[in-house]
Amino acid sequence: EAQVTQNPRYLITVTGKKLTVTCSQNMNHEYMSWYRQDPGLGLRQIYYSMNVEVTDKGDVPEGYKVSRKEKRNFPLILESPSPNQTSLYFCASRRTGLGELFFGEGSRLTVL
Amino acid sequence: AQKVTQAQTEISVVEKEDVTLDCVYETRDTTYYLFWYKQPPSGELVFLIRRNSFDEQNEISGRYSWNFQKSTSSFNFTITASQVVDSAVYFCALSEARARGGNTPLVFGKGTRLSVIA
Repeated sequence: EAQVTQNPRYLITVTGKKLTVTCSQNMNHEYMSWYRQDPGLGLRQIYYSMNVEVTDKGDVPEGYKVSRKEKRNFPLILESPSPNQTSLYFCASRRTGLGELFFGEGSRLTVL
Repeated sequence: AQKVTQAQTEISVVEKEDVTLDCVYETRDTTYYLFWYKQPPSGELVFLIRRNSFDEQNEISGRYSWNFQKSTSSFNFTITASQVVDSAVYFCALSEARARGGNTPLVFGKGTRLSVIA
């Protein structure tokens, strides 16, 4: 089954404790991206990757890092989480070019 | 700059009523894609439709239909004979073809929360 898989789905952590949200897709997509969803603000792009070893900032990259060492994986790293990073995070992928994004199920993160 | 506006924050309808969700977009690009996604209470984002800027044909899929009008920059979504399972947040999104370094992000509207009451 074609899918984008994120882990963990739910996480409560404390300020400053590094965490990684993993993302894996099995569709051989070149393009991957992270979004965060916040009430009243909608979905905003954090980072994206056009292909292996090619990553760049989206609209709200502050406080996040990503890596793309393999085509299928695109982890989101919060080196020192803060409460304003409490959010619902979505990983997504698609083939290069235009087209619909396929989203993971979301990861709800709470930073205390 | 690209922008998507969904003016209806919340809509409530009684089951079997028809409901239209509005979406107005702004873009300077002549080539772009428009999308609708559904976010049910379980939280995932489900792709519903993609429409490119050169295809203004309306589309029908079961109880769902979409009306794309470039003249008014609108891409409205109608659910006919609504059902309780249609209760969700619906997002309209835009992606421009003119890429920034190859990135063609989806720009989302704020969403419309639809509640269908039995």
